[in-house]
Amino acid sequence: GQQVMQIPQYQHVQEGEDFTTYCNSSTTLSNIQWYKQRPGGHPVFLIQLVKSGEVKKQKRLTFQFGEAKKNSSLHITATQTTDVGTYFCAEPNTGGFKTIFGAGTRLFVKA
Amino acid sequence: DSGVTQTPKHLITATGQRVTLRCSPRSGDLSVYWYQQSLDQGLQFLIQYYNGEERAKGNILERFSAQQFPDLHSELNLSSLELGDSALYFCASSGPGTGTQYFGPGTRLLVL
Repeated sequence: GQQVMQIPQYQHVQEGEDFTTYCNSSTTLSNIQWYKQRPGGHPVFLIQLVKSGEVKKQKRLTFQFGEAKKNSSLHITATQTTDVGTYFCAEPNTGGFKTIFGAGTRLFVKA
Repeated sequence: DSGVTQTPKHLITATGQRVTLRCSPRSGDLSVYWYQQSLDQGLQFLIQYYNGEERAKGNILERFSAQQFPDLHSELNLSSLELGDSALYFCASSGPGTGTQYFGPGTRLLVL
């Protein structure tokens, strides 16, 4: 079945270092979403990418959608302790198909 | 606060028992999704309802069932509980025409 692979599973960084998580699919994605889940919390929607090659920024976060719409990335510049949590990519339900979430990348930031 | 409510927050029960988890979506949202998240694991999609009808099904066990009522709240029923069913169960809702999901705070189920 369709899968969305996300790497790395874990990432430890020193505060101020950059961080990137990658999401890959074997099939073309209609669109892709990113969510963040703080420790002990629930997933929170960050952004949706729809167009091929799309790049969106939210302060220190940069989201990219690949030209072939088979991959996406989330890059955080100069991480802060508030960035800790798990970042999930997801292909949302479209046309009655199930929502598919990546396994998530758990980010640890050392002050 | 996402606007999605879930009750109860915590639930402790024994193997073989049956429980019901409840979810109220955001005002105006017609879609409700259920997810299971085991300790430090990803989000496993269980099922989606749209305006009372089942829309999509994921890896939901036969011991589990769900429904969405006319007032759009949803219930997830878990029966013949096993130790491995211990997990966080999230409900999410989304509005018509958008796939953006708003998650509730979750119900933490512990099966002893």
